Amino acid sequence: DAGVIQSPRHEVTEMGQEVTLRCKPISGHDYLFWYRQTMMRGLELLIYFNNNVPIDDSGMPEDRFSAKMPNASFSTLKIQPSEPRDSAVYFCASSLRTNEKLFFGSGTQLSVL
Amino acid sequence: AQTVTQSQPEMSVQEAETVTLSCTYDTSENNYYLFWYKQPPSRQMILVIRQEAYKQQNATENRFSVNFQKAAKSFSLKISDSQLGDTAMYFCAFMDTDKLIFGTGTRLQVFP
Repeated sequence: DAGVIQSPRHEVTEMGQEVTLRCKPISGHDYLFWYRQTMMRGLELLIYFNNNVPIDDSGMPEDRFSAKMPNASFSTLKIQPSEPRDSAVYFCASSLRTNEKLFFGSGTQLSVL
Repeated sequence: AQTVTQSQPEMSVQEAETVTLSCTYDTSENNYYLFWYKQPPSRQMILVIRQEAYKQQNATENRFSVNFQKAAKSFSLKISDSQLGDTAMYFCAFMDTDKLIFGTGTRLQVFP
């Protein structure tokens, strides 16, 4: 397996634009997580899914953020409208079952100008 | 809520020496899992070691070992025979159900 695949690797956009980050988890993994990493706040869990169903979205900062998982092999994290304070590295991760290790993608570096 | 604390923002060690990174956590749960992840400059998150709280024996992976003190809620990482490739951010993390909660990280620099 190729591991967790995220795209794009880098994204530069202007304030107010819509941004969509994509993730393909490892085949057969039941859990998918979205994290955000910043210097100030470290790694924050935004939302996670179990069998394509959102379980906990308490980490989503505000209504501008939304995440979907339409099927077991694809998830998106959307920011609309984007703001400069959204600039961060966004990681997607998946795991086979609960309490198992997470496999991380290589992250998307988002810069909002 | 569970919290994970890494009190050392930065550490340095000379190649071939041993270094210990500290981590404490707070939880009221009895069954949980602890992890150390490494993030080199490439920013890839790499699992270093995993510990199950119900196991008293400390986990070991080659040059990496942990000192797990359940009563003290402490989970330190020892790196033996440090190598230049160990230079990275190291994150301690806690999981009791589905969620993995990270500490703020320790930046480790290994110098020749």
